[in-house]
Amino acid sequence: QVQLVQSGAEVKKPGASVKVSCKASGYSDPYYAIHWVRQAPGQSLEWMGMINAGNANRKDSPTFQGRLSITRDTSASTIYMELGSLRSEDTAVYYCVNSYGYSNFNYWGPGTLVTVAS
Amino acid sequence: QSALTQPRSVSGSPGQSVTISCNGSSSDVGRYEYVSWYQQHPAKAPKVIIFDVRERPSGVPDRFSGSKSGNTASLTISGLQTEDEADYFCCSFAGDSTFYVFGGGTKVTVL
Repeated sequence: QVQLVQSGAEVKKPGASVKVSCKASGYSDPYYAIHWVRQAPGQSLEWMGMINAGNANRKDSPTFQGRLSITRDTSASTIYMELGSLRSEDTAVYYCVNSYGYSNFNYWGPGTLVTVAS
Repeated sequence: QSALTQPRSVSGSPGQSVTISCNGSSSDVGRYEYVSWYQQHPAKAPKVIIFDVRERPSGVPDRFSGSKSGNTASLTISGLQTEDEADYFCCSFAGDSTFYVFGGGTKVTVL
């Protein structure tokens, strides 16, 4: 059974960066895809980007041009999402999500609340 | 403003059917058979209930069904139950520039 465990809540000041981790387990195939999806308070979901854990191929939403970095540590089975130049609008719960095929986001991490405030 | 348009809320009595629409464009919903739906209860992570327009993951009750016509996808909940009260989000693949877009979400209330 796939499990995704995320790092704890963060509070950051505007202009700072945040790095959220997602430790994955339960995979038999090393070429699994992990996406990052965020949800601002009371708002909808927003896709940010994804990485293939096996070959590090990445795709990012153009919305986060230059601010987003998704990386992997294969030895630790961990995926990282780093978002820079934080502003108050980046306050949200950040989820790491496994996908199967093009439209099945089938396993979700518990979410990490990132609060950006001065 | 979300790329896909959903009604803010729908409601129904137990046992009734409700349908949630998800209006996209010819660049997302209309182009790809990659529409999915997610159910989210308060303070919980979303859960997939429909993928590839109409496929149900194992364990999802068959009262949930999905369909698509043109640029509009739909989720129907037949035989509404109290535990179906939640927020529902649609999602579509939108090509190799935008990748994925979500709807604004629909709150389903069981009266």
